[in-house]
Amino acid sequence: QKEVEQNSGPLSVPEGAIASLNCTYSDRGSQSFFWYRQYSGKSPELIMSIYSNGDKEDGRFTAQLNKASQYVSLLIRDSQPSDSATYLCALRDRADGLTFGKGTHLIIQP
Amino acid sequence: EPEVTQTPSHQVTQMGQEVILRCVPISNHLYFYWYRQILGQKVEFLVSFYNNEISEKSEIFDDQFSVERPDGSNFTLKIRSTKLEDSAMYFCASHSGSDETQYFGPGTRLLVL
Repeated sequence: QKEVEQNSGPLSVPEGAIASLNCTYSDRGSQSFFWYRQYSGKSPELIMSIYSNGDKEDGRFTAQLNKASQYVSLLIRDSQPSDSATYLCALRDRADGLTFGKGTHLIIQP
Repeated sequence: EPEVTQTPSHQVTQMGQEVILRCVPISNHLYFYWYRQILGQKVEFLVSFYNNEISEKSEIFDDQFSVERPDGSNFTLKIRSTKLEDSAMYFCASHSGSDETQYFGPGTRLLVL
């Protein structure tokens, strides 16, 4: 049984600060990792994908992957109120469908 | 920018009725998916579809579910005899095959009474 664990939050961060979101997973065969953002009542929207160990940066977002520790994280720099949403960690192993965590609810306080 | 579209946005049905949820994936995409999200719960994979056949399905995707690509653009999910517990948001997703990113449609909110 593949498991993706996230702290459900809410995680409250002041505007302009760094938000740090974490995710652990159980399946060592997992190959591809994704962070999606989901606003209430809306569909998941891709933020970042990461496939190899290390850091990957895209604008204000940095994804970090450590396969040995089975750990993925997302850093959001200069947090904005519009970043307030639920952040979903997802992974894909050799199979096709994505396995999602329950998500972390992030609140950016103005 | 191309996007996945889904119809209807909302569907209310009586228990035991059949529903068909429709999706138009991004035009050059080859891999198609259905996911569901029960209110307050995580997004769950239902089925993937490639080359006109199911490539993977989860244990949720039992005999009451079916998928079809009836023409070159539509991808449908049929629930044969709906149950109360089928009430959820259903998302269609697609990806091109050149990368693994799955793009999600806006969803259909299904309510079974």
